[in-house]
Amino acid sequence: AQSVTQLDSHVSVSEGTPVLLRCNYSSSYSPSLFWYVQHPNKGLQLLLKYTSAATLVKGINGFEAEFKKSETSFHLTKPSAHMSDAAEYFCVVSDRSNDYKLSFGAGTTVTVRA
Amino acid sequence: NAGVTQTPKFRILKIGQSMTLQCAQDMNHNYMYWYRQDPGMGLKLIYYSVGAGITDKGEVPNGYNVSRSTTEDFPLRLELAAPSQTSVYFCASSYLLSGAGNNEQFFGPGTRLTVL
Repeated sequence: AQSVTQLDSHVSVSEGTPVLLRCNYSSSYSPSLFWYVQHPNKGLQLLLKYTSAATLVKGINGFEAEFKKSETSFHLTKPSAHMSDAAEYFCVVSDRSNDYKLSFGAGTTVTVRA
Repeated sequence: NAGVTQTPKFRILKIGQSMTLQCAQDMNHNYMYWYRQDPGMGLKLIYYSVGAGITDKGEVPNGYNVSRSTTEDFPLRLELAAPSQTSVYFCASSYLLSGAGNNEQFFGPGTRLTVL
């Protein structure tokens, strides 16, 4: 069965410094991988997705993620954090083992210090 | 386009009461989903639908029912509310289910439900 593990439940960064959110996945098939962001009291918004094309995926708001099959990882990065990046981030996997339904990680809460 | 809309935004229920959470989408998506989000946890799939008249159970369906009479609407029914159903509920929709295609799910703003 597919699954994801987000390695950090909380990440705190200073404004203007890099952000790294770590995600490892488990899948017996060719997975699709996603990062979603949830701002306080809002719904989830797609940041970026990997669907077997380029391994380095660029998303919205300066975020990017790299699919590394050998490490079963899909870490999310941003070179310079902004106050508006404070939110909860979910790594998500989908493959045919579960009819392509989404499996969510537990989430990483990002705090940005001024 | 309004996208995915959910009503109500907040609701407090007493144990044993029933209610329906409404969800509608205007993107002509075939697939619709209901999730619940508990504190510190990722989203868990309750029910999903692959088209009007077709629904199926997800990971945590007990205590809930759904129907899909139109492409646009996908209501979630709680028959006998229990404290364990206190959660935030999200509705989502997507055009496809395929992992290789445009299976991005679009989410509504959520309904925060408390059962006392």
